[in-house]
Amino acid sequence: GEDVEQSLFLSVREGDSSVINCTYTDSSSTYLYWYKQEPGAGLQLLTYIFSNMDMKQDQRLTVLLNKKDKHLSLRIADTQTGDSAIYFCAESDSGSARQLTFGSGTQLTVLP
Amino acid sequence: NAGVTQTPKFQVLKTGQSMTLQCAQDMNHEYMSWYRQDPGMGLRLIHYSVGAGITDQGEVPNGYNVSRSTTEDFPLRLLSAAPSQTSVYFCASSSQETGGDADTQYFGPGTRLTVL
Repeated sequence: GEDVEQSLFLSVREGDSSVINCTYTDSSSTYLYWYKQEPGAGLQLLTYIFSNMDMKQDQRLTVLLNKKDKHLSLRIADTQTGDSAIYFCAESDSGSARQLTFGSGTQLTVLP
Repeated sequence: NAGVTQTPKFQVLKTGQSMTLQCAQDMNHEYMSWYRQDPGMGLRLIHYSVGAGITDQGEVPNGYNVSRSTTEDFPLRLLSAAPSQTSVYFCASSSQETGGDADTQYFGPGTRLTVL
């Protein structure tokens, strides 16, 4: 079956850039998503990228997709303390666009 | 527009008890789903529904039942709770259209369930 993997923890200093990495195994992935979960809250969609794109930028967020290596990354520029949260990578394939496979999540801690 | 709502926020059950987790959405979304979130494992799909009267199993359906009698509501039933069902449960909904933002799943705030 599909597998999505992420490292569990990342710490950065306020003002630095954060890069959260994700790898996936399903070569038929159509959409790749980044979700943010703040403590005690549900998941909030941050951004997504189609599998035929290499990069997508949205304000402080940059998503890079290397389809050959099945590697996805999320870069947060000028990281703020409010960015501290768990970030989930997720993928879906064209056959079931709303059945998401999630990674285990990366806990981002922003240090002052 | 309340989005996706879930009740209760917290629940403690004893082994063998039954209960229903409620989920409702007011966005007229046809697709609804239930996930459970366990530490270090991300979210796993339990059951989903593509419209009223239609449900199907996800990755981890055992021990859970669902029904979809209306577009708005998608309750999740635990028939005989077990400690292995201690988890955080999230309901999500999305439209049936495809492409970009239309595929976005909107998540509820979650129900934290403990089974003793």
